[in-house]
Amino acid sequence: GQNIDQPTEMTATEGAIVQINCTYQTSGFNGLFWYQQHAGEAPTFLSYNVLDGLEEKGRFSSFLSRSKGYSYLLLKELQMKDSASYLCAAMNQAGTALIFGKGTTLSVSS
Amino acid sequence: DTAVSQTPKYLVTQMGNDKSIKCEQNLGHDTMYWYKQDSKKFLKIMFSYNNKELIINETVPNRFSPKSPDKAHLNLHINSLELGDSAVYFCASSPTGGYQETQYFGPGTRLLVL
Repeated sequence: GQNIDQPTEMTATEGAIVQINCTYQTSGFNGLFWYQQHAGEAPTFLSYNVLDGLEEKGRFSSFLSRSKGYSYLLLKELQMKDSASYLCAAMNQAGTALIFGKGTTLSVSS
Repeated sequence: DTAVSQTPKYLVTQMGNDKSIKCEQNLGHDTMYWYKQDSKKFLKIMFSYNNKELIINETVPNRFSPKSPDKAHLNLHINSLELGDSAVYFCASSPTGGYQETQYFGPGTRLLVL
């Protein structure tokens, strides 16, 4: 089976750094995704990790540890527009569909 | 030049009715998906099609019937709508359905069953 856990809510202030954690248990592993979803909008792709380590992309970085079944999304220099839900997702065993966690709603205040 | 489009954006209907949601992608992708996002924002896969063929059919009531007339379109027909069907339905596509591929989501259809 597959299980993906992430915190429900987080808050932070503008300019700060926030780390959103995700733990997963999967039968087989085909990579881990992070998507961003603003309220009332569609999810959009942020990052994909299949190997251990940190992938940096501008203000956003994503980390993966396959042995620990653990990933995090790191957001630096937070801006108000970063207020959104952040969805951790892993491919199912067959590699044919994304299994999403319940999302972490991040609120950034000034 | 919308990549993945869905119609309608909002759908309000009565219990027991039958309704359809349409999805089109102009990305030239082979694989399309339907997801349901409930009131708690939990996004769950319903169906996946690759080149008009059904790949995934998760545990979804058979009142839901997807149809793919060509690889650029994946429509969702729902019979005998129930209150619990109220949700946001997202269509998505990916190039070939490969496990490492980004999925591109449509804007969603907000369905409210009264």
